[in-house]
Amino acid sequence: DAMVIQNPRYQVTQFGKPVTLSCSQTLNHNVMYWYQQKSSQAPKLLFHYYDKDFNNEADTPDNFQSRRPNTSFCFLDIRSPGLGDAAMYLCATSRIGGVQILGETQYFGPGTRLLVL
Amino acid sequence: KQEVTQIPAALSVPEGENLVLNCSFTDSAIYNLQWFRQDPGKGLTSLLLIQSSQREQTSGRLNASLDKSSGRSTLYIAASQPGDSATYLCAVPKEAIFGAGTRLAVHP
Repeated sequence: DAMVIQNPRYQVTQFGKPVTLSCSQTLNHNVMYWYQQKSSQAPKLLFHYYDKDFNNEADTPDNFQSRRPNTSFCFLDIRSPGLGDAAMYLCATSRIGGVQILGETQYFGPGTRLLVL
Repeated sequence: KQEVTQIPAALSVPEGENLVLNCSFTDSAIYNLQWFRQDPGKGLTSLLLIQSSQREQTSGRLNASLDKSSGRSTLYIAASQPGDSATYLCAVPKEAIFGAGTRLAVHP
């Protein structure tokens, strides 16, 4: 089935040790998003790719980087994780980010829960 | 900047009740609005997407309405069941802005 896949589902890292979360999609969507969600809070958009164009949210810390080597894959790199970066990280896709007749339904992966020790 | 608010933050109801979850947004110039369900520790599952030209969408026991002029959307759940227990989030997809959700508990 077409879907958004995130690996791993749970990630434990040490304070300051770089970590990479991965997302892949079989939907062939041109937009991929990374969200951070802390307990009982709304998902917060970190950045998104529209094809190869990278769009960073203004308040996303420099500690967070992303790579999209091809349409199917997108990575979230946290260069020096702090205790405050412990959260659920959600990857999502949509067919297009601009105006389109069918709208921009977002499809989410199961998330990666990051624990920082 | 768009802000999305959901009230109430938490709701507990007995099985069988019909209930309404509320979502409000500050900028009415939206293209669509989407409702999601999130189970504890899991990702988001899309429930309904309402285009700006539509007033409501239905899927099974779920009905979502949209009133752009008042900046409001409601999610109506008919005949609630314990399996409906989850957090329900609304979002403006184009701007990727989410509400914090309503945590629903349906008890037998």
